[in-house]
Amino acid sequence: EAGVAQSPRYKIIEKRQSVAFWCNPISGHATLYWYQQILGQGPKLLIQFQNNGVVDDSQLPKDRFSAERLKGVDSTLKIQPAKLEDSAVYLCASSLVGEGITFGQGTRLTVV
Amino acid sequence: EDKVVQSPLSLVVHEGDTVTLNCSYEVTNFRSLLWYKQEKKAPTFLFMLTSSGIEKKSGRLSSILDKKELFSILNITATQTGDSAVYLCAVEGTIGNQFYFGTGTSLTVIP
Repeated sequence: EAGVAQSPRYKIIEKRQSVAFWCNPISGHATLYWYQQILGQGPKLLIQFQNNGVVDDSQLPKDRFSAERLKGVDSTLKIQPAKLEDSAVYLCASSLVGEGITFGQGTRLTVV
Repeated sequence: EDKVVQSPLSLVVHEGDTVTLNCSYEVTNFRSLLWYKQEKKAPTFLFMLTSSGIEKKSGRLSSILDKKELFSILNITATQTGDSAVYLCAVEGTIGNQFYFGTGTSLTVIP
């Protein structure tokens, strides 16, 4: 079974630039998550999709972050404009009810 | 407010030692508790626990859940340098397929 695919693996941008991350979940997983993990902290949920609908985006900084999952499969997360404090690992994950959550390899973003 | 608390935050041990990592939770509508190991970027799955008192075991790692006292422990015996990682605890709720993560325990095993 293929895992959760994410790209790119690493990204370095200057502050105020924009960046986009892509995620393809495990086939058949209706639920897709984007987490932000700052060094030394646990993953923080940014947004959760069920198929192509948003379940929870209460911690998404909507003035600069956006995410979509138009066809209920793959998803993109965008930051525009980026700030220094956005430097983190961005983890995409997917799940089936009762089967735990599976993470992608993550994207390490550095904002300079 | 639903929350998951892990302790200790960090731990340094020598190879061969046994360690116990703790995870307590306050989550309404509990479905399961999961342990993950995070070495570089992506957390990798270790255990899923749903029932109290039933130990899950994989090699030198084992874990158990107490749903009455709302906690779980992860034991690692005969630690090796390859066990150095952040260990994350997560609780899955029954509503909306949501997961609540702790801040993790950073384990360093020195030769």
